[in-house]
Amino acid sequence: AQSVTQPDIHITVSEGASLELRCNYSYGATPYLFWYVQSPGQGLQLLLKYFSGDTLVQGIKGFEAEFKRSQSSFNLRKPSVHWSDAAEYFCAVGLGGGGNKLTFGTGTQLKVEL
Amino acid sequence: GAVVSQHPSWVICKSGTSVKIECRSLDFQATTMFWYRQFPKKSLMLMATSNEGSKATYEQGVEKDKFLINHASLTLSTLTVTSAHPEDSSFYICSAKGGLAGFETQYFGPGTRLLVL
Repeated sequence: AQSVTQPDIHITVSEGASLELRCNYSYGATPYLFWYVQSPGQGLQLLLKYFSGDTLVQGIKGFEAEFKRSQSSFNLRKPSVHWSDAAEYFCAVGLGGGGNKLTFGTGTQLKVEL
Repeated sequence: GAVVSQHPSWVICKSGTSVKIECRSLDFQATTMFWYRQFPKKSLMLMATSNEGSKATYEQGVEKDKFLINHASLTLSTLTVTSAHPEDSSFYICSAKGGLAGFETQYFGPGTRLLVL
């Protein structure tokens, strides 16, 4: 069965510093890959997605992610974090037709120090 | 675009009662809707997948008689927690995909927090 691992439960960075959130997946083929952000009181918002093509994908809010097949990873990056980026971040793998069945990682809680 | 709403946002009920949660796609027609459950400090777990006009497909371990799902139209799905008990207390989240919102991406509602006393 597929699985998604986010090894960092909590990460704290200073505002303006760079950020990298790690995500590893286990699956035989290349799945659909997603990063979502969840803020209190709000639904999960899609940051970016990868299905095929260029392995470096750009998303909203200045985020990007790089798919590395050899490492089964899809890490999320941002060059300069803003205080408003503090939230819970989820990596997800989509399988089945159109990536229907989403399997989520356990999430990484990002705290931003001013 | 691709906005999904849920109602109510939170609900408190007594043990033994049934609770209905609505999920609506506001600006697109959702051919498929999904229901997730999120436990504190945990990830989202897919409960079921529903396609408009057909029966929902439940994930292993999810009681279909406890969690009734109806996807009566292309913009509305409902989850009814029947005879709720304290262990059903959780955060329930729906998502939707399809139509102009795209084939591969799920768009999520804000969630409904259920507390069963």
